[in-house]
Amino acid sequence: DGGITQSPKYLFRKEGQNVTLSCEQNLNHDAMYWYRQDPGQGLRLIYYSQIVNDFQKGDIAEGYSVSREKKESFPLTVTSAQKNPTAFYLCASSIWPGNTEAFFGQGTRLTVV
Amino acid sequence: LAKTTQPISMDSYEGQEVNITCSHNNIATNDYITWYQQFPSQGPRFIIQGYKTKVTNEVASLFIPADRKSSTLSLPRVSLSDTAVYYCLVGSSVGNTPLVFGKGTRLSVIA
Repeated sequence: DGGITQSPKYLFRKEGQNVTLSCEQNLNHDAMYWYRQDPGQGLRLIYYSQIVNDFQKGDIAEGYSVSREKKESFPLTVTSAQKNPTAFYLCASSIWPGNTEAFFGQGTRLTVV
Repeated sequence: LAKTTQPISMDSYEGQEVNITCSHNNIATNDYITWYQQFPSQGPRFIIQGYKTKVTNEVASLFIPADRKSSTLSLPRVSLSDTAVYYCLVGSSVGNTPLVFGKGTRLSVIA
């Protein structure tokens, strides 16, 4: 089945540690996105990638890093520089940049303990 | 992407038709209007997209007036399972700008 997969579903991290969230898609989509969602809030764009080996900062990129070495994969690293990392993280993809029919993963809930 | 404005929340009783309006005054000629649905602790799900007039699928209808400065998502005979957040996005299918979501409309369906 085609789709977009995020792992793990739940993640716990100690303060001061970096952690990487996985996002894989087999839809052959060029564009991929990472969003953060806090309770009761909308989605805020962290990073996006329009093509392999290219990515751009979104509205809240500070404390996060990404890579796009393969078309299928767009991992997000939450670094220790992110002051308030506890949140729900969502990855999405679309066939080309700007196409508004996007497919989302099921999300990763990160909790800093 | 053109900025959109939606009501923050709406309440409805089961069995009623719900209409959620989105304002997008700066919509461009190439822009499409897209709506997503998000349940708690899940990723948003695409539900409908349109360019002008009316689009209908098995989930909803989308009404777009001639000036395209607003759109209305219509959910017929809602049930408790339609309780979710609904997001309106406007963007071009040929552009390269990222998908930007607003805060959406939180729909609560009451028995």
